[in-house]
Amino acid sequence: QSALTQPASVSGSPGQSITISCTGARSDISAYNFVAWYQQSPGKAPRLIIYDVSNRPSGVSNRFSGSKSGNTASLTISGLQTEDEADYYCSSYTSRKTVVFGGGTKLTVL
Amino acid sequence: QVQLLQSGAEVRKPGASVKVSCKASGYAFTTYDINWVRQASGQGLEWMGWMSPNSGTTGYAQKFQGRVTMTRNTSIGTAYMEVNSLRSEDTAVYFCARGVYSTSSGDFEYWGQGTQVTVSS
Repeated sequence: QSALTQPASVSGSPGQSITISCTGARSDISAYNFVAWYQQSPGKAPRLIIYDVSNRPSGVSNRFSGSKSGNTASLTISGLQTEDEADYYCSSYTSRKTVVFGGGTKLTVL
Repeated sequence: QVQLLQSGAEVRKPGASVKVSCKASGYAFTTYDINWVRQASGQGLEWMGWMSPNSGTTGYAQKFQGRVTMTRNTSIGTAYMEVNSLRSEDTAVYFCARGVYSTSSGDFEYWGQGTQVTVSS
């Protein structure tokens, strides 16, 4: 199973909005609404910020939102804050009953 | 509150095996699948497989089939992940994770703190 495709890096200024894409295939993102997004700071475990394409776990800011169209999922962060600077990973359930992650995107808040 | 507490760092020689534990608390251990994810230094997340603590049923990523074994001890609420025939490329931080839902769908809400496994001669 190939990894999902994410841009290596994105950047934005405080207050701006950014979107990170995550491209998969008909056997994963297209087939299921089990797309998740994780935020990871250096030396820490990943933190779930979006699940089932667009749901936020309790305690996650509504500045984070998710969507999906065809085989591409997207994470949008609005009102960028310096504390949002981290690595972001997408994941999807697959038709082989496995889970696949994206390669990760480093977000820099300028 | 839900917690997953992993065992400490390990150092092994190439060809050896390592077994990492993940003790769950704050919920009924047998009601949620446990997944394992690893991350090499400076690299991305890599899903390894899942286990149902209730039935012991497992599912592995193709890459790890035959070399990784996931087990559990329900009496102490602990999951285990063993990697055999270690090579240098297995040097990574290994995480256990529990999902939002009882069955594995990739939505990992709770994570262990990670266990560093170093493979070096």
